[in-house]
Amino acid sequence: GAVVSQHPSWVICKSGTSVKIECRSLDFQATTMFWYRQFPKQSLMLMATSNEGSKATYEQGVEKDKFLINHASLTLSTLTVTSAHPEDSSFYICSALGTGYTDTQYFGPGTRLTVL
Amino acid sequence: LAKTTQPISMDSYEGQEVNITCSHNNIATNDYITWYQQFPSQGPRFIIQGYKTKVTNEVASLFIPADRKSSTLSLPRVSLSDTAVYYCLVGAPRNFGNEKLTFGTGTRLTIIP
Repeated sequence: GAVVSQHPSWVICKSGTSVKIECRSLDFQATTMFWYRQFPKQSLMLMATSNEGSKATYEQGVEKDKFLINHASLTLSTLTVTSAHPEDSSFYICSALGTGYTDTQYFGPGTRLTVL
Repeated sequence: LAKTTQPISMDSYEGQEVNITCSHNNIATNDYITWYQQFPSQGPRFIIQGYKTKVTNEVASLFIPADRKSSTLSLPRVSLSDTAVYYCLVGAPRNFGNEKLTFGTGTRLTIIP
């Protein structure tokens, strides 16, 4: 139980294009999901908290107009990187807060974004 | 959010028991302690969670002293596949409105054959 998926697992795009990453909780409903970013050899950095049916809460320093988050259902949150640039290349990981479990965050497998 | 401090790296031989200690001096009353394992290019995997004393599951044990200012993850008889980064996190359940987790540097555990 408590499986979280992400799609795509990797994506390569040209600078200036937008990329959408999906995060799904497969066997549980998640009113709250989180989006993280991880650069090589570094720890995970929280970007935003996504709540179903409401606007996402962004961490300080994260541009909300650049990283659009939509949590339209209890099992799906999406992160759109708009007008991507090479410095946005990173490993993006989502997590979902379990319900009926001990409030544990369950993480997706991550999405590797490379912007050329 | 309670800050955590862990050793940056540890080495151990196969078959040994490995103990990774995490300090969280300003842990709050409602905070739980959770450990995750991360392999390269993968999302973190939940290992174990606890509030106080000792918790054991099929893969690890978690020891938390009475003052809760530290915790120790114990991995019995490690194998090469246990080589990974281990993160200790402290956070409160959703009902207390502080379910965000802050990742520290983690401990890079290397198992030597």
